[in-house]
Amino acid sequence: GAGVSQTPSNKVTEKGKYVELRCDPISGHTALYWYRQSLGQGPEFLIYFQGTGAADDSGLPNDRFFAVRPEGSVSTLKIQRTERGDSAVYLCASSAGTGGNEQFFGPGTRLTVL
Amino acid sequence: TQLLEQSPQFLSIQEGENLTVYCNSSSVFSSLQWYRQEPGEGPVLLVTVVTGGEVKKLKRLTFQFGDARKDSSLHITAAQPGDTGLYLCAGETETGFQKLVFGTGTRLLVSP
Repeated sequence: GAGVSQTPSNKVTEKGKYVELRCDPISGHTALYWYRQSLGQGPEFLIYFQGTGAADDSGLPNDRFFAVRPEGSVSTLKIQRTERGDSAVYLCASSAGTGGNEQFFGPGTRLTVL
Repeated sequence: TQLLEQSPQFLSIQEGENLTVYCNSSSVFSSLQWYRQEPGEGPVLLVTVVTGGEVKKLKRLTFQFGDARKDSSLHITAAQPGDTGLYLCAGETETGFQKLVFGTGTRLLVSP
């Protein structure tokens, strides 16, 4: 079956612009996670959805970052007024639910803010 | 803030050599996972260790969780070029894998 997919694979934008990054989780997975991976670092947790609701958004760095999952499937990470420091690979993962289920990661979206 | 430090950060070895990667923290984790990540792809889970002192083997890879559940190690025997990649440890902060804390990563290069 299909794995987690993310679009676009690469996004180049200018400082101050708005961007949206999309994640399509594995069908039937109720939990969805967003992480950010800077060059040479491990992924850093941003937000976790259980169904349609954000169960934990403690990793979002500031109010320029927002994520939605309106129908409990596809999720969109939105970044307003992008800054050069936002440049990173944004990873999405999904799992079958809580209780120790494996997280399956997508290939990521590489965001470059010029 | 819970941090997981990995060492070494980079390792370049010849095919057939053995190596050990360490993952250390001052925090206790309910479980610890090891991932491998290749360029342009997301991390892929290798193993999860849950019990302090637990040892798990996956072919030539041996994983150990420290007795106090604060540290872990990954040992590779007779490394092969196919083992090349970024190895990441990740701690589960609370039961249910709701939020993983990833280590800083160890980049392994195995040359033929």
